[in-house]
Amino acid sequence: DGGITQSPKYLFRKEGQNVTLSCEQNLNHDAMYWYRQDPGQGLRLIYYSQIVNDFQKGDIAEGYSVSREKKESFPLTVTSAQKNPTAFYLCASSRYGTGGSNQPQHFGDGTRLSIL
Amino acid sequence: KNEVEQSPQNLTAQEGEFITINCSYSVGISALHWLQQHPGGGIVSLFMLSSGKKKHGRLIATINIQEKHSSLHITASHPRDSAVYICAVKSGGSNYKLTFGKGTLLTVNP
Repeated sequence: DGGITQSPKYLFRKEGQNVTLSCEQNLNHDAMYWYRQDPGQGLRLIYYSQIVNDFQKGDIAEGYSVSREKKESFPLTVTSAQKNPTAFYLCASSRYGTGGSNQPQHFGDGTRLSIL
Repeated sequence: KNEVEQSPQNLTAQEGEFITINCSYSVGISALHWLQQHPGGGIVSLFMLSSGKKKHGRLIATINIQEKHSSLHITASHPRDSAVYICAVKSGGSNYKLTFGKGTLLTVNP
């Protein structure tokens, strides 16, 4: 079955460490996204990528980095510069709609990151 | 800036009841999404609509573009419907960016 796989489901980080969250999709989607979810808040966009080797900052990119070397993969690195990294992270993908067409986003099951 | 407001924040119902969750937004949009998030955290897309009404099983979504309002209805609710329901909108000028509401936590008791 096609879908989005995020790993690991739970991740713990020590102060000062970088950690990388994995996101893989086999839906042949062009666009991929990373969101952060905090209690009582709506999802917020961290980074998105419309095509391979290209990505754009979202609303809360500070302290995060991404790469898009393959269409299927969009890993997110939470760097030590992110001062409050404890959150639930969701990856999503969609077909890239041209001309303003709307495409639904498909979501993974998320990774919960906690600071030790 | 497009704000998305959902009501109620929390909703508790008895099995079999008719459920309505509301979503209001502030600017013009090209599409509105209803999403379901289960306790494990994964999100499933329920509907994407830009006008009128859509139905899937016991779920119905409606949108009124002029009033900038959408509703999600669940008929004959069941405990397995317990989840967080999230409204998200795509602005007309954007090809990718969704703005999300904070979600409505629905609990259906047997």
